[in-house]
Amino acid sequence: EDKVVQSPLSLVVHEGDTVTLNCSYEVTNFRSLLWYKQEKKAPTFLFMLTSSGIEKKSGRLSSILDKKELFSILNITATQTGDSAVYLCAVAPVWSNTGKLIFGQGTTLQVKP
Amino acid sequence: DAGVIQSPRHEVTEMGQEVTLRCKPISGHNSLFWYRQTMMRGLELLIYFNNNVPIDDSGMPEDRFSAKMPNASFSTLKIQPSEPRDSAVYFCASSPGTGARRETQYFGPGTRLLVL
Repeated sequence: EDKVVQSPLSLVVHEGDTVTLNCSYEVTNFRSLLWYKQEKKAPTFLFMLTSSGIEKKSGRLSSILDKKELFSILNITATQTGDSAVYLCAVAPVWSNTGKLIFGQGTTLQVKP
Repeated sequence: DAGVIQSPRHEVTEMGQEVTLRCKPISGHNSLFWYRQTMMRGLELLIYFNNNVPIDDSGMPEDRFSAKMPNASFSTLKIQPSEPRDSAVYFCASSPGTGARRETQYFGPGTRLLVL
């Protein structure tokens, strides 16, 4: 059965810290991996990764994919209280050519002032 | 672009009543997804459509739930009769369905449902 596992499930840090969120997957015929951020509302899209070793970057957030070891990491540097959210990882298998995603359970990040 | 539109944003109803949730996907998107989110179970896929056709409804909890997509710009999720355990946030999402980023889903603001 295809699955996506995120770790840690929750994390508490202080402003200015750097955090690394992990996402591992077991998916038949992988196509892409996506990261979402969910505050007190709907998930918003952050990154889509399809190739190993190529870092995607947006401001203080960056992500990289390792297709050999079947995982991805999301890094947040110089964290701010506004980074507090649930971060969701999702994988799209090739067999779902209609865009179905398999979501992980999420990592809850709390950034304290 | 207006993004995915859902209505109502909040719904409070009594057990046994019918509830209808509505969704307008992003124009041009071919795939539409209905999710349910609770603290206990996280984000669950209920059903998804491609080109207005239901592809997989294996996530629909039971016969009390039904979904339709009569055209490319509108979908409904209906619960009849509703029960307290249906209380959750229901999200609608759409994705292009084709092209290099066909799987990138964009979520609506959600409908927060409370069944008393």
